[in-house]
Amino acid sequence: KQEVTQIPAALSVPEGENLVLNCSFTDSAIYNLQWFRQDPGKGLTSLLLIQSSQREQTSGRLNASLDKSSGRSTLYIAASQPGDSATYLCAVSDDKIIFGKGTRLHILP
Amino acid sequence: SAVISQKPSRDICQRGTSLTIQCQVDSQVTMMFWYRQQPGQSLTLIATANQGSEATYESGFVIDKFPISRPNLTFSTLTVSNMSPEDSSIYLCSAGRQETQYFGPGTRLLVL
Repeated sequence: KQEVTQIPAALSVPEGENLVLNCSFTDSAIYNLQWFRQDPGKGLTSLLLIQSSQREQTSGRLNASLDKSSGRSTLYIAASQPGDSATYLCAVSDDKIIFGKGTRLHILP
Repeated sequence: SAVISQKPSRDICQRGTSLTIQCQVDSQVTMMFWYRQQPGQSLTLIATANQGSEATYESGFVIDKFPISRPNLTFSTLTVSNMSPEDSSIYLCSAGRQETQYFGPGTRLLVL
């Protein structure tokens, strides 16, 4: 049974710092991995999708990597801003989408 | 891509009542799904909404509690029946293919 774990559960960093969010999954037979952002009381916004054949994807200040063999992904956020404060969810897709519990990120002004 | 809208965006309901959540997609999609996110928890798939037939429910979810309709390729409803405070959650609709889904804004439900 696929399980997705995100570490840390919560993170506070000063504005301007670079940071890394971690995601691990137990079964490497996935179609893709997605990183989502969820603002309080809102739905999900897809940030980056990495296909199983890819190793990374970049969008602006965000870079996501995927290492299927080790069952790990990281989301790197460069030059963090207060507007980056949100919960970040990792999800893997095999025959369904399985989500982690998320990392609550707070950027301190 | 697809744009998903949900109604209502939030509601406060009394114990024992039922609430129907609507999900509209701006284009025809193969699959539609309903998720629940309980406070502090990850998203959990409730069911796959099948067009013209009964929904496919995940373990732990039953049709009597969460009846789902999908009359066409762009619209689905989820009803949360006989609600209790434990049903307080965000309910999200998604659409697309199984491996690539687009999510609606969610419906925040509080049951008193």
